[in-house]
Amino acid sequence: DQQVKQNSPSLSVQEGRISILNCDYTNSMFDYFLWYKKYPAEGPTFLISISSIKDKNEDGRFTVFLNKSAKHLSLHIVPSQPGDSAVYFCAASGLSSGSARQLTFGSGTQLTVLP
Amino acid sequence: DADVTQTPRNRITKTGKRIMLECSQTKGHDRMYWYRQDPGLGLRLIYYSFDVKDINKGEISDGYSVSRQAQAKFSLSLESAIPNQTALYFCATSGLSTDTQYFGPGTRLTVL
Repeated sequence: DQQVKQNSPSLSVQEGRISILNCDYTNSMFDYFLWYKKYPAEGPTFLISISSIKDKNEDGRFTVFLNKSAKHLSLHIVPSQPGDSAVYFCAASGLSSGSARQLTFGSGTQLTVLP
Repeated sequence: DADVTQTPRNRITKTGKRIMLECSQTKGHDRMYWYRQDPGLGLRLIYYSFDVKDINKGEISDGYSVSRQAQAKFSLSLESAIPNQTALYFCATSGLSTDTQYFGPGTRLTVL
């Protein structure tokens, strides 16, 4: 049973427009959320994170929104650039019974920014 | 120089062979992890280690073993490789007070 879900395997956006990537989670114990970006033949790179005590975190062109009641987070990229084309993974962590804090990843969304 | 390195970057092997993937880091982190990535499944945790004397199984540890030789080195072994272990393998590290993990470039393993 996937605890972190990215329901859109792919997304195409025109350069300069907004990209919105979505992520849903089911485990109410998750309290920290991260987005990673992955280019082909490279490892995932940390992009931005948010704690459950916040509902928004912004870093330059990237903003993450968290809706705890809906168990939903989203990553907004404005404006989108061709170099943003990559696979984006959502990840979540939190306390779980009998286990140390670990990251649980979604399946990823391939973003393509068209020039 | 990369903070987290993995060797080899690519490996093709045959069913039944023993394979070792190595990970080294210069970030000074105590915590190290091994993941595998399969198409459509994201990254799944195989093993993790919070210090040299600590080894823990992750979600999918069957068929794998690990060794934490030093703070900076964490290796993953497949004792007898099978074709469904064909995947991308990533090593990651994190500090004590954060959940943020930093990944190596990955090893593409093919088991024929």
